[in-house]
Amino acid sequence: GPKVLQIPSHQIIDMGQMVTLNCDPVSNHLYFYWYKQILGQQMEFLVNFYNGKVMEKSKLFKDQFSVERPDGSYFTLKIQPTALEDSAVYFCASSLGQPFNNQAPLFGEGTRLSVL
Amino acid sequence: SQLAEENSWALSVHEGESVTVNCSYKTSITALQWYRQKSGKGPAQLILIRSNEREKRNGRLRATLDTSSQSSSLSITATRCEDTAVYFCALYQGGRALIFGTGTTVSVSP
Repeated sequence: GPKVLQIPSHQIIDMGQMVTLNCDPVSNHLYFYWYKQILGQQMEFLVNFYNGKVMEKSKLFKDQFSVERPDGSYFTLKIQPTALEDSAVYFCASSLGQPFNNQAPLFGEGTRLSVL
Repeated sequence: SQLAEENSWALSVHEGESVTVNCSYKTSITALQWYRQKSGKGPAQLILIRSNEREKRNGRLRATLDTSSQSSSLSITATRCEDTAVYFCALYQGGRALIFGTGTTVSVSP
């Protein structure tokens, strides 16, 4: 079936550096999401994105975060500069329709970000 | 406080037994999605139940929704070891982002 791909599965970075997390969503999906999960805790919504724009973002989506889909393929989350508390697993998701149409987002396997 | 919470932190059953995970929430919803997350993986969709539905089935899974008490349950019958995972309810709030509950760890032993 369709899959959301996140590569690499693990990134290690020094505090203060920039990191870009990449997501390859399902090809015909239109809505994209990033969630953050600290080990053993719940999935926390960061941001969703449609038609080149941020639709909604949470208070966790700090000024140091940005998202884009530069060439219409990969959906990226950039953190600049990184902080120790950014260490977590970041999940990308995509869906064909909008949340109010009850289109369940399909999630990737996540990228574990370790900020040292 | 959390908008959605599973009522148990962890549940343990033996293979073949049934298990029920409960979720309570504190906001109006258009639908509720149950997800399963296995260790080291992303959440996988299980059942979507809309606010005008009371029950939905998918194989060994059965979800219920009671909008008056703002609660939902997910039951798994004839459990298998591979059902071991964290189960989350997630809320649709009419166009807003999907909000996840705190999760219940279900452990199925042989």
